[in-house]
Amino acid sequence: RKEVEQDPGPFNVPEGATVAFNCTYSNSASQSFFWYRQDCRKEPKLLMSVYSSGNEDGRFTAQLNRASQYISLLIRDSKLSDSATYLCVVNDMNSGYSTLTFGKGTMLLVSP
Amino acid sequence: DTAVSQTPKYLVTQMGNDKSIKCEQNLGHDTMYWYKQDSKKFLKIMFSYNNKELIINETVPNRFSPKSPDKAHLNLHINSLELGDSAVYFCASSRRTGDNEQFFGPGTRLTVL
Repeated sequence: RKEVEQDPGPFNVPEGATVAFNCTYSNSASQSFFWYRQDCRKEPKLLMSVYSSGNEDGRFTAQLNRASQYISLLIRDSKLSDSATYLCVVNDMNSGYSTLTFGKGTMLLVSP
Repeated sequence: DTAVSQTPKYLVTQMGNDKSIKCEQNLGHDTMYWYKQDSKKFLKIMFSYNNKELIINETVPNRFSPKSPDKAHLNLHINSLELGDSAVYFCASSRRTGDNEQFFGPGTRLTVL
């Protein structure tokens, strides 16, 4: 069974802190990787893709280690508005079609 | 100018009833999906349609029947509702099958009493 595992949290951090989320995936054939963000009682939205070489988008840095089947997301200088659940997502093949497999998410609470 | 819309937003009903949820996307996407997010927040794909054709059906009970009258619409009909069907159901779309960015609707919160 293809799985994506995340620490559910919650991670409680003060504003300005740096926080890191980890994720592991079970399917070594997975092709592409993402972080989605889901605010409380809202729909998930794509935050960023994750590339093998690592990539950065402002305060957010994503890393991928294919050998360890491990993905990470680092958030620097946390803002109150970063409070949300962060979903690790893997693109897998399913009956010949690619589908997204979601982790259960890690909740982040940023306090003043 | 909502991209992916769902109705209703909330649905409270008795066990044994039949209900439908509707989804529409105005993005011109070819592929649409239904996901279920249970009380443990686990988001799991149920169905995927590409240009009105069913391409993925994830071991979902046959009480759940999706219908796509055209590529902009994907509805979900549920027969004989059970307590375990209580969840948030999200519709999503992507430009084509295999696209990594999926756009989600706001969700339909179904409560079965």
